[in-house]
Amino acid sequence: DGGITQSPKYLFRKEGQNVTLSCEQNLNHDAMYWYRQDPGQGLRLIYYSQIVNDFQKGDIAEGYSVSREKKESFPLTVTSAQKNPTAFYLCASSIDREAEAFFGQGTRLTVV
Amino acid sequence: AQRVTQPEKLLSVFKGAPVELKCNYSYSGSPELFWYVQYSRQRLQLLLRHISRESIKGFTADLNKGETSFHLKKPFAQEEDSAMYYCALSGDGATNKLIFGTGTLLAVQP
Repeated sequence: DGGITQSPKYLFRKEGQNVTLSCEQNLNHDAMYWYRQDPGQGLRLIYYSQIVNDFQKGDIAEGYSVSREKKESFPLTVTSAQKNPTAFYLCASSIDREAEAFFGQGTRLTVV
Repeated sequence: AQRVTQPEKLLSVFKGAPVELKCNYSYSGSPELFWYVQYSRQRLQLLLRHISRESIKGFTADLNKGETSFHLKKPFAQEEDSAMYYCALSGDGATNKLIFGTGTLLAVQP
């Protein structure tokens, strides 16, 4: 069953701890993206990757880090430097810039 | 810089009324424009893209390069159209990225 999977669905962490969100796709897509979705602010791009072993900062990369060691995986780490980490995080992938982007179901991160 | 603007946070119409969701963009190159939709408790999914020039679920969108707009239209709204709609832009540079507007919530009243 092809698709893009994010895990876990809900995540709770204490302030000051780093946390890693998983994103896996078996669609053989080159491009992968991480977004943050906050009420009234739409989807804001955190990081994106057009190919394995390469990634670029999006509009709100501060306090986040990523890796792209495998084509199918694009994990996002929310570091303690992120000032307001509580949010809904969405991962997406696409074949290329003209193609449809497929989205995961999202991870809701709560930092207490 | 790439930018997508959706001026309306909420658009409320009655069933059968025409719908127009506005989208304006800022980009110096040749962008690809998309509309995505998120129904309640479902994943964000593609509704249509300008390169396909197609009509999906009665919706159409025309790219107007002069006005840098990509408004989404439907002549007769249905209750099942109620959802969150996002306009998106993909750039054509070496490090092109896919960015979204802030979204418009469409509420179709019976």
